[in-house]
Amino acid sequence: KAGVTQTPRYLIKTRGQQVTLSCSPISGHRSVSWYQQTPGQGLQFLFEYFSETQRNKGNFPGRFSGRQFSNSRSEMNVSTLELGDSALYLCASSSRTGRNEQFFGPGTRLTVL
Amino acid sequence: GENVEQHPSTLSVQEGDSAVIKCTYSDSASNYFPWYKQELGKGPQLIIDIRSNVGEKKDQRIAVTLNKTAKHFSLHITETQPEDSAVYFCAAMGGADGLTFGKGTHLIIQP
Repeated sequence: KAGVTQTPRYLIKTRGQQVTLSCSPISGHRSVSWYQQTPGQGLQFLFEYFSETQRNKGNFPGRFSGRQFSNSRSEMNVSTLELGDSALYLCASSSRTGRNEQFFGPGTRLTVL
Repeated sequence: GENVEQHPSTLSVQEGDSAVIKCTYSDSASNYFPWYKQELGKGPQLIIDIRSNVGEKKDQRIAVTLNKTAKHFSLHITETQPEDSAVYFCAAMGGADGLTFGKGTHLIIQP
């Protein structure tokens, strides 16, 4: 079974721009969660999508948004990029929402200049 | 919301010795506790997990224990090998906030 895939793997943007990251979950998994990883704050939960609906949301500003498609693929968008948005963005796939195993992709490394 | 503390931040052990990493959590509603291993340039890999109705779980050289009363859980790795060198994260899931992670432990296996 193929694992979680994320594209692109690396991205460089400038302040004020917007970015869209993509995640394809493990086949058959319907839940996709997004996390931000930085050296200072560690791993922080952004949001979770299940069956095209946002189920949970972490403590991030409205510039961070996401969506999920009918094939369970998910995208996250960050608008008006700030230097502090530089991070590794990780997507995790799960067979169902709730307290269940989450399997992570390799991440997208975003650098904001 | 949930808060997870993880210790130590760095752990150096001799190859073949055991390693123990400890975590505490704050939300008594949390009932799922996974451990992840992250190698350089990769995403976190789920290595073992435990639910609150179980006190201990073992998988070959790796074991996890959970004390619900004290709100702490630990990862035990026995007979450590060079390939165990990585950053390990504990996490807890409670309510509707996704996984809350500890800050990570950098495990170094000395030859």
